[in-house]
Amino acid sequence: DQQVKQNSPSLRVQEGRISILNCDYTNSMFDYFLWYKKYPAEGPTFLISISSIKDKNEDGRFTVFLNKSAKHLSLHIVPSQPGDSAVYFCAASDSNFGNEKLTFGTGTRLTIIP
Amino acid sequence: DSGVTQTPKHLITATGQRVTLRCSPRSGDLSVYWYQQSLDQGLQFLIQYYNGEERAKGNILERFSAQQFPDLHSELNLSSLELGDSALYFCASSPPLGEGGETQYFGPGTRLLVL
Repeated sequence: DQQVKQNSPSLRVQEGRISILNCDYTNSMFDYFLWYKKYPAEGPTFLISISSIKDKNEDGRFTVFLNKSAKHLSLHIVPSQPGDSAVYFCAASDSNFGNEKLTFGTGTRLTIIP
Repeated sequence: DSGVTQTPKHLITATGQRVTLRCSPRSGDLSVYWYQQSLDQGLQFLIQYYNGEERAKGNILERFSAQQFPDLHSELNLSSLELGDSALYFCASSPPLGEGGETQYFGPGTRLLVL
């Protein structure tokens, strides 16, 4: 039972354009969502998060959008840069403390084409 | 560098054997989490310890066990190993509960290969 789904295993985007990574979830108890980025041979690193009381959160080139009614979130990267090439994981939590009990998606491999 | 350390980086062993993976959390963090990532899969939560006590359990097999020591480092013990246990094992830590901190901080992982 995959509660957090990333249906696109891979995505290729031209440098300078917008990258949009999508994530769907099924558990309505999830109230905190995170995106992690992972380079080969390294652990995931935190990118950005959003609480269920918001529908958008921005941090520099990264914006996360949350659509609770559709149980969908997306990560926008603008403009995309070669260093953004990595695997991106969506994660969700239903804990009172948002940084606990994370359920991860299977990841999307983003490749930025120079 | 997240501040979370894991040893060893790589481990090759045979079926039926037992191994121990070690994790040191970031300074000040009380929670330690263990995750398993099999090929092309997401990270599967195994278990969480908070200040020495088990706090949450995920999809951890009975052949696997973990503990967190008084100095807050943690060990994950995997026994009666099977081929399917080959995976990346990540440890993560997070700040004390309620003290903010948006996320868990991950170590570089231990790659386990069971032959």
